[in-house]
Amino acid sequence: DTEVTQTPKHLVMGMTNKKSLKCEQHMGHRAMYWYKQKAKKPPELMFVYSYEKLSINESVPSRFSPECPNSSLLNLHLHALQPEDSALYLCASSQVSEGQRNTIYFGEGSWLTVV
Amino acid sequence: AQSVAQPEDQVNVAEGNPLTVKCTYSVSGNPYLFWYVQYPNRGLQFLLKYITGDNLVKGSYGFEAEFNKSQTSFHLKKPSALVSDSALYFCAVRDKDGTGGFKTIFGAGTRLFVKA
Repeated sequence: DTEVTQTPKHLVMGMTNKKSLKCEQHMGHRAMYWYKQKAKKPPELMFVYSYEKLSINESVPSRFSPECPNSSLLNLHLHALQPEDSALYLCASSQVSEGQRNTIYFGEGSWLTVV
Repeated sequence: AQSVAQPEDQVNVAEGNPLTVKCTYSVSGNPYLFWYVQYPNRGLQFLLKYITGDNLVKGSYGFEAEFNKSQTSFHLKKPSALVSDSALYFCAVRDKDGTGGFKTIFGAGTRLFVKA
């Protein structure tokens, strides 16, 4: 079972709503990630945090706002989303120390539907 | 930039038969290659990785993968498939992200169907 916990599992929101996705890991990892996955497609990287600092933003629209309050938590704040933003949002974490050798571990994901 | 390719959208195999899911890679420098599995409505689960050393890597659930440098391949294998192996499989490679860190790049995925 994954040690990366994501809540909520399912979220339905209107285009004017503000909501947040939450992610927590207790593996002592210092890198955390948000990925977006459409059905039957590979995950697409959105954001990377390393030592609680944003290190990568893959040109994600500003209606998605990440936050890393501490080394165990990662949030994704959602505002004014579009129906095409409906997808599975995956959180992941990894060590930083071994660079390219590090394995990233995923949570079960949050299914987001924008209506 | 590093990349991986999964040439098959779908693989069909009968239960009890050996299975192979193909992956080829293109990297500069040493390859760091991974396999993940995604069951329906679930997140991705790590199966195994190749870093260095033995070309045959053993992983979870009886899976193994063979690293072949001359053919730039990293195929996933299992000697005897189970119906419960039916899932979506992703090959992945770690690449530099341009900021001093690294990111994971995924192949397009291969859907495995195991028929009873």
